[in-house]
Order: sequence, then structure tokens, then C-alpha cells
Amino acid sequence: DAGITQSPRHKVTETGTPVTLRCHQTENHRYMYWYRQDPGHGLRLIHYSYGVKDTDKGEVSDGYSVSRSKTEDFLLTLESATSSQTSVYFCAISESRMRGGQRNSPLHFGNGTRLTVT
Amino acid sequence: DQQVKQNSPSLSVQEGRISILNCDYTNSMFDYFLWYKKYPAEGPTFLISISSIKDKNEDGRFTVFLNKSAKHLSLHIVPSQPGDSAVYFCAARRLIQGAQKLVFGQGTRLTINP
Repeated sequence: DAGITQSPRHKVTETGTPVTLRCHQTENHRYMYWYRQDPGHGLRLIHYSYGVKDTDKGEVSDGYSVSRSKTEDFLLTLESATSSQTSVYFCAISESRMRGGQRNSPLHFGNGTRLTVT
Repeated sequence: DQQVKQNSPSLSVQEGRISILNCDYTNSMFDYFLWYKKYPAEGPTFLISISSIKDKNEDGRFTVFLNKSAKHLSLHIVPSQPGDSAVYFCAARRLIQGAQKLVFGQGTRLTINP
């Protein structure tokens, strides 16, 4: 989607290996998020960032870490992948204090990374 | 605990008729409610939202209703079109340090039949 690129789009990895997923944005938005989507659960927040080097945990953060060294990049790392982390991962961005008096833009999502852990 | 629930996994509607998708929530701290639409192999796209202080918001064919006493919201699509076939997620929002923490329902797959 315009403005957000997730890489890779698909990945198959083995249990116990480290995996890093990348989210790159060209919108210069301050806030970035990582969600996972699983059947029966909808989308669940893993971690989010409210600025460079400023991150916090979401509702399902165990087993994941994140880093944001630049405004445009937000990395999600699985230190030692497990089969329960097989999922589709979505990155999202948002901004506050928009032009025209709006205070917050809705979250805008990338097209996802499908991760399979065997 | 599921704070946002969509109890209908699927819904089938004839083209031209009204589609009604439902969502229930448990937490009164949410300040905004949103609907997202998702096609296969794509990310969710924002459709419409409503503030917790409103009871109705309309945008073209899409209307969202909020009943705070019942902690229930619904999305009405009229008339339904084949391109509306997708998975619809409702989401509830809390603002934390300016970040929008969304809690999603499980999704409802809408199929519009010609």
C-alpha cells in the first residue's frame, strides 16, 4: 500500500531461529504499530512506538522485541521463533495533530507479512 | 478476556439489500469506535468511525450506530454491492500518549450475492 512497505511478504522459518520483520513508511508519521492476525482473534497489538527509540508493549508482546532507530523504520524481532508465532503480521502508522483540525488520523495498515514457523 | 466481540463469523446478503454487522464491547474507557474492511492478502482499510459521545455517523452508503447503554455498535451498508464482500472488523480505541491502541473484534465475513 502507498506509504507503508512490509518486508518480507512471506517467510518460512524453523523453530528456534531468529526472525526480523521490517516496516518502512514514507509518510513521516510519528506512531507505528505491530499487530498479528489469527483466526478467531482478529488483530492483536504486539508493540507500538510513539517516536524514535520510544516503544511500549501491547497485549501480546511476550516473545517479541522491537526497535525504531529512524522515524521511517520499525523492526519486529522474534528472538527464537515458535510455532505459536505462525501468523500474519501487520504494521500500521498514525499521526496526531493533523491539518484541518482533526486530532488523529485512523491507523493505516500495510499489506502484511505471512510468517510460518515449522 | 475479549473486550470487543463480533459474534457472527459470517453474513450473506443479497445485492441491493441492507447489510447489518454487529459488535459488542465491555470497556467503557474507549473513546472512539472504528470499522475496518479487509480483502484477502491486503491490510485492513479504514471505513468509518464514531466518537463515544455520538450515537450515529453516516458516510455515503455506510452508517455506524452506537448504543452506549448496551455497549453495542452496528454498521449498516445500504444498498449492498458485490464489492462490499470482505471481512469487516470493528475496533475500539484508547489513546495512550497520543498512540491509538485499538482492540479488534474477531471479524465478520460479509458475502454479497448477486
